[in-house]
Amino acid sequence: QQQVKQSPQSLIVQKGGISIINCAYENTAFDYFPWYQQFPGKGPALLIAIRPDVSEKKEGRFTISFNKSAKQFSLHIMDSQPGDSATYFCAARRSSNTGKLIFGQGTTLQVKP
Amino acid sequence: GAGVSQSPSNKVTEKGKDVELRCDPISGHTALYWYRQRLGQGLEFLIYFQGNSAPDKSGLPSDRFSAERTGESVSTLTIQRTQQEDSAVYLCASSYQGNGEQYFGPGTRLTVT
Repeated sequence: QQQVKQSPQSLIVQKGGISIINCAYENTAFDYFPWYQQFPGKGPALLIAIRPDVSEKKEGRFTISFNKSAKQFSLHIMDSQPGDSATYFCAARRSSNTGKLIFGQGTTLQVKP
Repeated sequence: GAGVSQSPSNKVTEKGKDVELRCDPISGHTALYWYRQRLGQGLEFLIYFQGNSAPDKSGLPSDRFSAERTGESVSTLTIQRTQQEDSAVYLCASSYQGNGEQYFGPGTRLTVT
């Protein structure tokens, strides 16, 4: 119930392509779904987040698509750049439960020039 | 302003020794979280502090792990009688409120030999 499952584990995309990372959850009480970007040796940084009252949120080249009935959400990176090469984590939270985040296992993205 | 800082950045210790990890949150942030990130894995929640409320210790893996926070400032995570499976990066995050955006520090890489 507390798990967030993330796929794929790793992803290689050509520069200019679209990167897609998927996550699925079980707990319907989750009400906040952020994506974090982590570079080697650094802490994760919030990229974009969505709440279940909307089906899509876009910020620049990054879009979250949210499917409440399927309990799935995904990150789309448009026009992927080599600088986007990093590890991406999805997460979920039940806001009434202290705000602790439940993280997916991570996806290592490599964007080839 | 200054972000979340953690010290030391790296710690190598012998099995059976105690270690203390330190986190300095962003000034004014009332909520503080500790997470553990094993190699190639997602982040696991350990403990959460919010103001003067009782901490949420539900993620601590054993009684060898403990944490303290003085008011809304520095926090220390202590691991007693370290084991090799404790080797991981320990990340601290803070947020303005319990359900606010979490800002992560760079982490402390702990290696138990």
